Amino acid sequence: AQKVTQAQTEISVVEKEDVTLDCVYETRDTTYYLFWYKQPPSGELVFLIRRNSFDEQNEISGRYSWNFQKSTSSFNFTITASQVVDSAVYFCALSEAGRDDKIIFGKGTRLHILP
Amino acid sequence: KAGVTQTPRYLIKTRGQQVTLSCSPISGHRSVSWYQQTPGQGLQFLFEYFSETQRNKGNFPGRFSGRQFSNSRSEMNVSTLELGDSALYLCASSLTEQGSNTGELFFGEGSRLTVL
Repeated sequence: AQKVTQAQTEISVVEKEDVTLDCVYETRDTTYYLFWYKQPPSGELVFLIRRNSFDEQNEISGRYSWNFQKSTSSFNFTITASQVVDSAVYFCALSEAGRDDKIIFGKGTRLHILP
Repeated sequence: KAGVTQTPRYLIKTRGQQVTLSCSPISGHRSVSWYQQTPGQGLQFLFEYFSETQRNKGNFPGRFSGRQFSNSRSEMNVSTLELGDSALYLCASSLTEQGSNTGELFFGEGSRLTVL
């Protein structure tokens, strides 16, 4: 069965600091997909990134970067030079390929960026 | 292009009542998924509908049900409400089924249900 663990329930950092959100996953499939979503105070989740299990290349998008390591079953998310607008709840998610392919979310990490 | 619309945004019910929540997906999207979000359990998958058929279901009791109409709009129903059903119910739409698309779900702002 698939499982996503985000051990950090809440993190607070001062603006301009870098911050890394951890995500550890469990799956029995060799083909799977990992995601990160952002939930601002308005409530709707916003898609940030999708990564498939065969692509371990790290990705950078502006101040955001993601580190995927199959050896440790981790898909961590780093925000560089954080800004107050980055304050939100961030969810890591996993989907297994195949019949039971629903997207399962971790419990989220609430990130506070202090001015 | 209009986003995912959920109604009502807020509602208060008492134990034993039932509730129906509505979700209008983005135009052209055929998949609608429902999630329950609570502080203790996070986001939990309820079910997914695609072309009026339920293709996946989470581990929720039979009191939770849903359906999808030919225009892709979806409703979910919770009968015999319990205090623990208080939550934010999120609807997400996508062009194709969850497993075959890019994984980019488009979420609504949710319906916040309070059960007293």
